[in-house]
Amino acid sequence: QQQVKQSPQSLIVQKGGISIINCAYENTAFDYFPWYQQFPGKGPALLIAIRPDVSEKKEGRFTISFNKSAKQFSLHIMDSQPGDSATYFCAAPLGNNQGGKLIFGQGTELSVKP
Amino acid sequence: GAGVSQSPRYKVTKRGQDVALRCDPISGHVSLYWYRQALGQGPEFLTYFNYEAQQDKSGLPNDRFSAERPEGSISTLTIQRTEQRDSAMYRCASSLASGPASGYTFGSGTRLTVV
Repeated sequence: QQQVKQSPQSLIVQKGGISIINCAYENTAFDYFPWYQQFPGKGPALLIAIRPDVSEKKEGRFTISFNKSAKQFSLHIMDSQPGDSATYFCAAPLGNNQGGKLIFGQGTELSVKP
Repeated sequence: GAGVSQSPRYKVTKRGQDVALRCDPISGHVSLYWYRQALGQGPEFLTYFNYEAQQDKSGLPNDRFSAERPEGSISTLTIQRTEQRDSAMYRCASSLASGPASGYTFGSGTRLTVV
């Protein structure tokens, strides 16, 4: 069964610190790795995504690092802010990469303290 | 509309009743997905459509669950003879194009409670 394993389950970071969330995958056919951000009472929203032909992608304070040999990818949030407090999900294509269906990690609840 | 709209926002039903959950995707979005999200978990794939065609229903838990998108826009997820284990947040998402890289826009979901 395809899985995406996400850690940690919860994370507390001081304002200005770096938040790091990790995901591990099994299926080497995966070719797209998005991160979704979910605020309470809202649906998940696409935050940033990467393809495995690059090792890093940066958008503002958010960076995805990708390690193909280790089958891992991670989200780094630089200069974390209280407004970043949310649940973060990593994801990967489910099945044969067709059709856009995703398998999600279990989620990481991030709390940024002022 | 500006976003993906789901209705009702909350639904409480008695065990054994049928329920219909509605999703109105972003206008022009080709693909529509249904996910189920348990508390504290990531969304779990149920089924998806490209236009009106149901492309994959492998995530539907059993034959009590069905979905349709007859005109390629609004979709309905129907659960027959509901059971308590069906209680969850049901989320709909749409994307402009088919394929994993298109990026989803999720709705706010329907919280289903079976009592």
